[in-house]
Amino acid sequence: DAKTTQPTSMDCAEGRAANLPCNHSTISGNEYVYWYRQIHSQGPQYIIHGLKNNETNEMASLIITEDRKSSTLILPHATLRDTAVYYCIVRVEETSGSRLTFGEGTQLTVNP
Amino acid sequence: GAVVSQHPSWVICKSGTSVKIECRSLDFQATTMFWYRQFPKQSLMLMATSNEGSKATYEQGVEKDKFLINHASLTLSTLTVTSAHPEDSSFYICSVPNRTPPYNEQFFGPGTRLTVL
Repeated sequence: DAKTTQPTSMDCAEGRAANLPCNHSTISGNEYVYWYRQIHSQGPQYIIHGLKNNETNEMASLIITEDRKSSTLILPHATLRDTAVYYCIVRVEETSGSRLTFGEGTQLTVNP
Repeated sequence: GAVVSQHPSWVICKSGTSVKIECRSLDFQATTMFWYRQFPKQSLMLMATSNEGSKATYEQGVEKDKFLINHASLTLSTLTVTSAHPEDSSFYICSVPNRTPPYNEQFFGPGTRLTVL
């Protein structure tokens, strides 16, 4: 799996957009970018994933650079409940369900 | 997506005893489940892959005789921490992978906090 690099922590004001970056400069052509988050003392939650096109769902948007060496997860209107550790994972798709490797992630704190 | 439950949500035990943690996929048949461990202020570490009807696959450095995994049905996997010691105190989380794309979407349980005295 390609290595990912994320800032250790970020702060965001409630109601503002939270932009979480992830570097994955060694990503392979068949590897997807996945984002998960983990609220304190809970299991992680899948957010979004993408290969090369930008993606949007009800939770967030994912912007992947054209060279795919980095991406940004955008929470358009952050709330206090978005305070969590956000993990960026790069992985190929495996139909049998693949083992995910979690890095240290980014602790996002949304402030009132 | 799948709904995954774990039982118990927390447990305190004495050193030397064994503790069983259950992971249930409530609405989803899972031939594969994953077990993770998370120490305070650290990231999740994959411990093993639980395979229905066959032996679990353990990650390097995880003692298979200490962390017994049984996946007897398509909806239940159990992790037994045998002869638990204080260093086994951790947050144990299971997950179920999606059976349709995206396959790397995993549905996680709420976790079980184990404290060994």
